[in-house]
Amino acid sequence: SQTIHQWPATLVQPVGSPLSLECTVEGTSNPNLYWYRQAAGRGLQLLFYSVGIGQISSEVPQNLSASRPQDRQFILSSKKLLLSDSGFYLCAWNGAGVDSPLHFGNGTRLTVT
Amino acid sequence: AQSVTQLDSQVPVFEEAPVELRCNYSSSVSVYLFWYVQYPNQGLQLLLKYLSGSTLVKGINGFEAEFNKSQTSFHLRKPSVHISDTAEYFCAVSDTGGFKTIFGAGTRLFVKA
Repeated sequence: SQTIHQWPATLVQPVGSPLSLECTVEGTSNPNLYWYRQAAGRGLQLLFYSVGIGQISSEVPQNLSASRPQDRQFILSSKKLLLSDSGFYLCAWNGAGVDSPLHFGNGTRLTVT
Repeated sequence: AQSVTQLDSQVPVFEEAPVELRCNYSSSVSVYLFWYVQYPNQGLQLLLKYLSGSTLVKGINGFEAEFNKSQTSFHLRKPSVHISDTAEYFCAVSDTGGFKTIFGAGTRLFVKA
């Protein structure tokens, strides 16, 4: 069966520090991968998605970047965090079909101080 | 462009009472509709999905939803809720273009004893 791992679960970082959040998927090949950010009362905002190794689409211009160095690995990064980067970050994957539902990791709670 | 509107940000209800969580969407193309549930500090889990066919869709945990094309709605219902149903519920839509799933802002269901 497929599983998705996301870490760390919580993270407290000072403003201006770098960020690296990692997500890996097991049990499937060539998944579509996604990073979402969730702010209280505002639903989920799609940040990046990837349909293959090295292929990244950005939905919202911002202080963050994403990379997909391996088929089932998706990394969210920042060189210098801002206070506004605080939030709950969720990694997700789905299959090739447009009707394929998303499968989410347990999220990372990022607090920038 | 697609959008999803969840009409209620919070819904308090007593245990064993029925509940309806409302969702309206807008899209210029055929859509696939989903309901997800999020328990505190976790990722989202799929409750049910509408792809085509019967407009009444049954999901996990006794939930069901009805697709109404003329009203562009996809309301979620449960005839009798339990304390354990307390969670945040998200309506989502993806279109035939694939890859992007758009989420509503979420409805927090609070079941009281």
